[in-house]
Amino acid sequence: QKEVEQNSGPLSVPEGAIASLNCTYSDRGSQSFFWYRQYSGKSPELIMSIYSNGDKEDGRFTAQLNKASQYVSLLIRDSQPSDSATYLCAVIYNQGGKLIFGQGTELSVKP
Amino acid sequence: DVKVTQSSRYLVKRTGEKVFLECVQDMDHENMFWYRQDPGLGLRLIYFSYDVKMKEKGDIPEGYSVSREKKERFSLILESASTNQTSMYLCASRTIRTGDRGYTFGSGTRLTVV
Repeated sequence: QKEVEQNSGPLSVPEGAIASLNCTYSDRGSQSFFWYRQYSGKSPELIMSIYSNGDKEDGRFTAQLNKASQYVSLLIRDSQPSDSATYLCAVIYNQGGKLIFGQGTELSVKP
Repeated sequence: DVKVTQSSRYLVKRTGEKVFLECVQDMDHENMFWYRQDPGLGLRLIYFSYDVKMKEKGDIPEGYSVSREKKERFSLILESASTNQTSMYLCASRTIRTGDRGYTFGSGTRLTVV
């Protein structure tokens, strides 16, 4: 059973701080990695995708991938209360494969 | 932007009813997916379709079926609704033509079976 693991949280950070969200996955054949944000009662929204080792930055968000350690992370700089949501890590294991989700980490940014 | 539209935001059905959940996407995406999301269990894949007329079972297909007669539409069918099918149902689509392989989700249908 291929698995994606996240700490469920809640993770609480003060406004303006860096929030660090972590995810591990079980299968070394994984090729594509995604971070989704989900507000309460809403559907998941894709915020970052990463396919190769290293960092990928988009505004206040940075995704980091380390395939050797089977680890992917999301950093949110200058966290805002509007970033308070559940963040879902998701992995595709092959070109045509299905997306496997972690349980999600609840982030709370306190003003 | 890709738009994935689910026909109902909230739905209440009786036990034993046949229920149809409809999903339409407007960007000619090849792949479409149905998930359900429950507290503590995350998103679980029910069925998916790589292209029109094609369907594959996901992790929890029991009690469900699907139909994809046209590329833009993917329907989830609850043959005989039961209370344990009360859940949030999410449809998603994606294309394999571009380098970005992320899924786009619809707004979800919250189904209550009474």
